[in-house]
Formats: sequence, structure tokens, C-alpha cells
Amino acid sequence: GAVVSQHPSWVICKSGTSVKIECRSLDFQATTMFWYRQFPKQSLMLMATSNEGSKATYEQGVEKDKFLINHASLTLSTLTVTSAHPEDSSFYICSARLGGLHTQYFGPGTRLTVL
Amino acid sequence: QQQVKQSPQSLIVQKGGISIINCAYENTAFDYFPWYQQFPGKGPALLIAIRPDVSEKKEGRFTISFNKSAKQFSLHIMDSQPGDSATYFCAASANQGGKLIFGQGTELSVKP
Repeated sequence: GAVVSQHPSWVICKSGTSVKIECRSLDFQATTMFWYRQFPKQSLMLMATSNEGSKATYEQGVEKDKFLINHASLTLSTLTVTSAHPEDSSFYICSARLGGLHTQYFGPGTRLTVL
Repeated sequence: QQQVKQSPQSLIVQKGGISIINCAYENTAFDYFPWYQQFPGKGPALLIAIRPDVSEKKEGRFTISFNKSAKQFSLHIMDSQPGDSATYFCAASANQGGKLIFGQGTELSVKP
């Protein structure tokens, strides 16, 4: 149980285009989902927290107009990187949590490369 | 105060040995301390977690030791195997709804 999937697993796009990444909780309803980015050899950096049906809460320094997060259902959250630039190239990972519990279950990650 | 400090940054252990990774925190509101294992190109996977009301938790070859007064906790991997070679992250959170604060990570290499 507690499986989280992400799609796509990797994506290459041109500078200036937008990319959407999906995060799904496959066998439980996630009241809260989180989006992280991770650079090589570094720790996970929380970008935003999203609760189903409400606006995401972004961490300090994360541009909410650039990283659009939608959590339309209890099993799906999406991250859209708008007008992507090479510096947005990173490993993006989502996690999901069942309401009232601490445990976060992570997806397999999405490798974004912006040319 | 929100930081979790993890050490060492990297660790090399012989097969069959014990791997020990340490973490320290300042925020006394933290009440949940998980350890995650991450292989290259993959998302983190929950290994084991502990609450501050116990001093030790063991699951198979993995043990968390927790010292509330020192605000420290550690992961022990017994009988380390080459397949354990990965990056390990400690984390902490507070109040169930709180976000996870991650340590800097430890790259473990187990030599055959």
C-alpha cells in the first residue's frame, strides 16, 4: 500500500515552454500533497504544500506564478512549470500524506531538463 | 531552529559492518522522526520512523536510537550489505500537519 506515482518520469523541453507533472496517490486518498525539488548531491527542498480543493502554500523564495500547483482531487496533484528556463532543470518529487498522519509517501520523481 | 543537522556527509563501510548516521535538531516541537533511503534517480522511500516517547525502534537490520534530552537521533544499519549503498536522509516534523524538515543527507557506500 501507500503507492505514489508520477508522470512523466523524465521530460526534456525547450526554454520558454511549459511542462506539467502529475502526482497520483494510487491506493489512498491524500488530503495533503507536497512538491519538492532536488539538485544533484543535495537534500530535498520543499517548494509547496497543497491541500485538496484549496490554494497551495508556497515556501519562501518559490515563485507561485512560475510553479503552478493544482490539487483538484484527493488522488491527484499537478505541478506546472511555466516558461521553463535551463535553471529550472532539476529532479522534481512529490509526496502524499493521509490526513491526520505524519507519514509522507514519495513518488519516484520526474527529471526535468530544459534546453 | 528549524534545521536538522546530519552527519557524516559520506560513509564507507565494509560488508557486514555497522553503518551509523547521526542527526541533531533544535526544535523541541518536533514529534516525528523518519529516515528515508534514496537510490540514484529514484524518490525517497520511508525506512523507519520514531516518536519521541520511545528511545529505540528496530525493524530488521535497521534501528533508530533516540535521545530526547540531547535532541539527537541516529540510524544504525546492522550487517550492512552492498545493496544498502544509497543516500540516507533523516527528517523531522511537528504537530502532524507540519512539513518535513530534512537533513543534508549521507551517501553510504558498502564495500564487498
